[in-house]
Amino acid sequence: NAGVTQTPKFQVLKTGQSMTLQCAQDMNHEYMSWYRQDPGMGLRLIHYSVGAGITDQGEVPNGYNVSRSTTEDFPLRLLSAAPSQTSVYFCASTPIDRVNYGYTFGSGTRLTVV
Amino acid sequence: EDKVVQSPLSLVVHEGDTVTLNCSYEVTNFRSLLWYKQEKKAPTFLFMLTSSGIEKKSGRLSSILDKKELFSILNITATQTGDSAVYLCAVSFLDSNYQLIWGAGTKLIIKP
Repeated sequence: NAGVTQTPKFQVLKTGQSMTLQCAQDMNHEYMSWYRQDPGMGLRLIHYSVGAGITDQGEVPNGYNVSRSTTEDFPLRLLSAAPSQTSVYFCASTPIDRVNYGYTFGSGTRLTVV
Repeated sequence: EDKVVQSPLSLVVHEGDTVTLNCSYEVTNFRSLLWYKQEKKAPTFLFMLTSSGIEKKSGRLSSILDKKELFSILNITATQTGDSAVYLCAVSFLDSNYQLIWGAGTKLIIKP
């Protein structure tokens, strides 16, 4: 099915470990982004990309890295996991001319850092 | 500081009731307000509102924006158990094509 695919769905990390959350879309969307969702708070933008080779920081980028080598993939790397990074992570994409609305979201990754 | 506030935080009603969800905002350079529905996982797009007073409608759902009083409402009539979800609103900006500010959401539970 077309859409945004995130893996893994669940992950438990120990403090200090690193990992990569995967995000892939098959809709040829130029814009891709990563959000985190915490209880009682809105979605917060971590990093985004408007095309292959172009990335930029969002509202809460510290502790995360991204790269965009292809249009389809936009992985999110946690360099040294901390308990404060326990959250649900969503990847979203959209065509560049619909960037202010109409996002397609992945189903999320629930990350727990212990 | 830009902010988006949704109320109530949670709401429990019976099937068939009508509900009104609120989203107020304080932002500079407002462009549009978006409503999303989040069931178990991924948020799905409902409406985008840019002009005051123009109602957007989709089935039993409708929404309207008041740019003078800086809020939007989402109405759901004749609610069904399938309407149970978290409803999110977000605001986009004229001076930033890539940033949205999101509210914390309203959790709506429809009892049979």
